Amino acid sequence: NAGVTQTPKFQVLKTGQSMTLQCAQDMNHNSMYWYRQDPGMGLRLIYYSASEGTTDKGEVPNGYNVSRLNKREFSLRLESAAPSQTSVYFCASSFGGPLHFGNGTRLTVT
Amino acid sequence: GENVEQHPSTLSVQEGDSAVIKCTYSDSASNYFPWYKQELGKGPQLIIDIRSNVGEKKDQRIAVTLNKTAKHFSLHITETQPEDSAVYFCAASKNYGQNFVFGPGTRLSVLP
Repeated sequence: NAGVTQTPKFQVLKTGQSMTLQCAQDMNHNSMYWYRQDPGMGLRLIYYSASEGTTDKGEVPNGYNVSRLNKREFSLRLESAAPSQTSVYFCASSFGGPLHFGNGTRLTVT
Repeated sequence: GENVEQHPSTLSVQEGDSAVIKCTYSDSASNYFPWYKQELGKGPQLIIDIRSNVGEKKDQRIAVTLNKTAKHFSLHITETQPEDSAVYFCAASKNYGQNFVFGPGTRLSVLP
């Protein structure tokens, strides 16, 4: 039972490049989330999907897009990366109640 | 919207001592309060949680207390061990698991 799997683990981008962060869960959870973690700021919600077919903005959605591909998979896309998007990105899932997190993607934008 | 504060930001204790981390929240409608432990290079993992209809919950060396009137909740770790060293996050949520707001985290170091 893998839980929440995120790929890639590390990525370096140049300003203006695009990329997609992948997330998959095998717990049959309805809800999935993308957070970013920056030093001293805790975890801030970028986008979430309460169920397959729906997505909603969180606290810091600007510069990001998401796709809930199916019940298992929820991807996060950076269309034109900026240095301010340097962060650690976490995907999480839940069936109501506590969140289950992946191990993160460390993204650096130069 | 909800705002969660967490103190202290760093905490060092001797092995075997107790550690206490405190969080306050602003929205009286919040009703679910989980605590997460994050080890280096990993995602946060749930260690204990409490709902607003309960004042205290224990799980072995870990306990959480909730004061709804004062809008604060605390994590208590007794008999600390080196493997307790990590960053701990509190969070608050309405509707039991929707729209979590996280505190900024506490880095706990347990010194042998």
